[in-house]
Amino acid sequence: GAVVSQHPSRVICKSGTSVKIECRSLDFQATTMFWYRQFPKQSLMLMATSNEGSKATYEQGVEKDKFLINHASLTLSTLTVTSAHPEDSSFYICSALNREQSIRTDTQYFGPGTRLTVL
Amino acid sequence: KQEVTQIPAALSVPEGENLVLNCSFTDSAIYNLQWFRQDPGKGLTSLLLIQSSQREQTSGRLNASLDKSSGRSTLYIAASQPGDSATYLCAVRGGADGLTFGKGTHLIIQP
Repeated sequence: GAVVSQHPSRVICKSGTSVKIECRSLDFQATTMFWYRQFPKQSLMLMATSNEGSKATYEQGVEKDKFLINHASLTLSTLTVTSAHPEDSSFYICSALNREQSIRTDTQYFGPGTRLTVL
Repeated sequence: KQEVTQIPAALSVPEGENLVLNCSFTDSAIYNLQWFRQDPGKGLTSLLLIQSSQREQTSGRLNASLDKSSGRSTLYIAASQPGDSATYLCAVRGGADGLTFGKGTHLIIQP
């Protein structure tokens, strides 16, 4: 199956700093990528949807200026948490799909996640 | 707004038992429903995907059913093994591509 990677897998940062998380599709072209956040013992919550070459669509309650998403190529999307605070500590997971393939398979491929801890 | 509920939240059973995990969703206008497995601190592994027009899907010891009109799905695990221990997540896809997840069922299979 298709592989999606995330980097870094873990990051610890000080409050007020910015952190960039990368999501890469390794063996397919991801026309669409999704970013989810998961707090302990909670559901994964969709944060935003990004289509290659266009601005991301954010879910209600997610701050666009706080969580910057860039999807500049068909294999890479980045999520930047700006001026991170302890309440941003969470598990961030991306997923990717190829829209042409998804018509047949309808499958999203998930990355392994990034654990962010803000001190 | 779509809401997905999973029952039970946690389950611990002896090895070898058959078990059923339940998922319900509030808006029956779904495109598909998917069951995932998540190991501690890890990403997601897709187990089964059921299209809205389908009633069930099977993969090995796993069987998932879907009753779209009543907003319910079940995941049946036959002859459970310790390696099945994980959190099982149910997710539905509505009109957009993003998924709405339940909180999961934390499953422990005792050796």
